[in-house]
Amino acid sequence: GIQVEQSPPDLILQEGANSTLRCNFSDSVNNLQWFHQNPWGQLINLFYIPSGTKQNGRLSATTVATERYSLLYISSSQTTDSGVYFCAAAPWESARQLTFGSGTQLTVLP
Amino acid sequence: NAGVTQTPKFRILKIGQSMTLQCTQDMNHNYMYWYRQDPGMGLKLIYYSVGAGITDKGEVPNGYNVSRSTTEDFPLRLELAAPSQTSVYFCASTTSGGNEQYFGPGTRLTVT
Repeated sequence: GIQVEQSPPDLILQEGANSTLRCNFSDSVNNLQWFHQNPWGQLINLFYIPSGTKQNGRLSATTVATERYSLLYISSSQTTDSGVYFCAAAPWESARQLTFGSGTQLTVLP
Repeated sequence: NAGVTQTPKFRILKIGQSMTLQCTQDMNHNYMYWYRQDPGMGLKLIYYSVGAGITDKGEVPNGYNVSRSTTEDFPLRLELAAPSQTSVYFCASTTSGGNEQYFGPGTRLTVT
């Protein structure tokens, strides 16, 4: 099956800093999503982005499908951005069966 | 809309006991999923369903069973609980035409 690798595994920032999270995947994808898991465990969908670039407020994401990676940008980070960020991907033949990476644990310090 | 709801929030089982984790969504989504999340790890797909009466195995189906008699409900059954099934279980759903998955709040299960 498809392999999904995320980096870095841990990231500590001061409030106001910017960050870039990376997701590499091993096969062509028809579905790629970014999720945020808050400290209480709730999973929130941030982006559905199998290709191209999207922005939502301080967050943006870019997927370069031909090079099999996706980036999540967080600008002007806030303490509420803390949590785990997951990338999940699915190949063309099983587009709704997501494989999750191990996540990036982000801690934003006040 | 309540979205995706799961019950119970927490449960402790003894080895060999059985239980059903409940999942309900009120968004009329066709696709529903069960995942498990072990500590410090990403989610792994247990079972999924593309509609009422249709279910299929995911990556880690052993030790679990599912059924889908209605669009709204997708229960997950553990027949003989084992310590390896200690995990947090998440249910999710999406529309047949969409891709974004919406998650429930999770059930934290401990098997001792």
